[in-house]
Amino acid sequence: GESVGLHLPTLSVQEGDNSIINCAYSNSASDYFIWYKQESGKGPQFIIDIRSNMDKRQGQRVTVLLNKTVKHLSLQIAATQPGDSAVYFCAEMDSILTGGGNKLTFGTGTQLKVEL
Amino acid sequence: NAGVTQTPKFQVLKTGQSMTLQCAQDMNHEYMSWYRQDPGMGLRLIHYSVGAGITDQGEVPNGYNVSRSTTEDFPLRLLSAAPSQTSVYFCASSFSQTYEQYFGPGTRLTVT
Repeated sequence: GESVGLHLPTLSVQEGDNSIINCAYSNSASDYFIWYKQESGKGPQFIIDIRSNMDKRQGQRVTVLLNKTVKHLSLQIAATQPGDSAVYFCAEMDSILTGGGNKLTFGTGTQLKVEL
Repeated sequence: NAGVTQTPKFQVLKTGQSMTLQCAQDMNHEYMSWYRQDPGMGLRLIHYSVGAGITDQGEVPNGYNVSRSTTEDFPLRLLSAAPSQTSVYFCASSFSQTYEQYFGPGTRLTVT
């Protein structure tokens, strides 16, 4: 989920389990969403995206689900591995309003910890 | 390709000093952006550019200037550093027709 404080919410999972990271977005006009992964000391890295005309999209070991009714986004990671440990951000955009690829609004992130 | 590069990696400034954070990309991307990342607040857009010679303000532009004289480079200038500008700064770039942004490794700035 999202954090409004200084401490990120943390999700701890056992290696091999599935992880579900949630995100509540704020703008009902947002029509494009991205999940990013950020490892310690590095810049964010694109994982997967979804447009508002879809409710599900799958990548390699990851699935993004979009529920526009309740403005909720989730990232599912199958068979979580130690290398998945990172902070995960969702980002939203109203592409009609911004007209370009830059005005993403980012959530505060969730820390995923994978325990061996 | 080197992707998006940023220099310096770390910087300490005194209040009132000025400096330029450098950002370059070798992917021929039209869009470039600067973000700052503070604990618990996610990434916030400072300035962005949709092509050489064109820049615009983001969410938190005060205290920062940018210019885009070439496609490759997008420097961020701090005019008179303040402790509130202590943060990690990320540069990002993307093609005009996609929204997938490629981020640089970041610059950790401390203003004392």
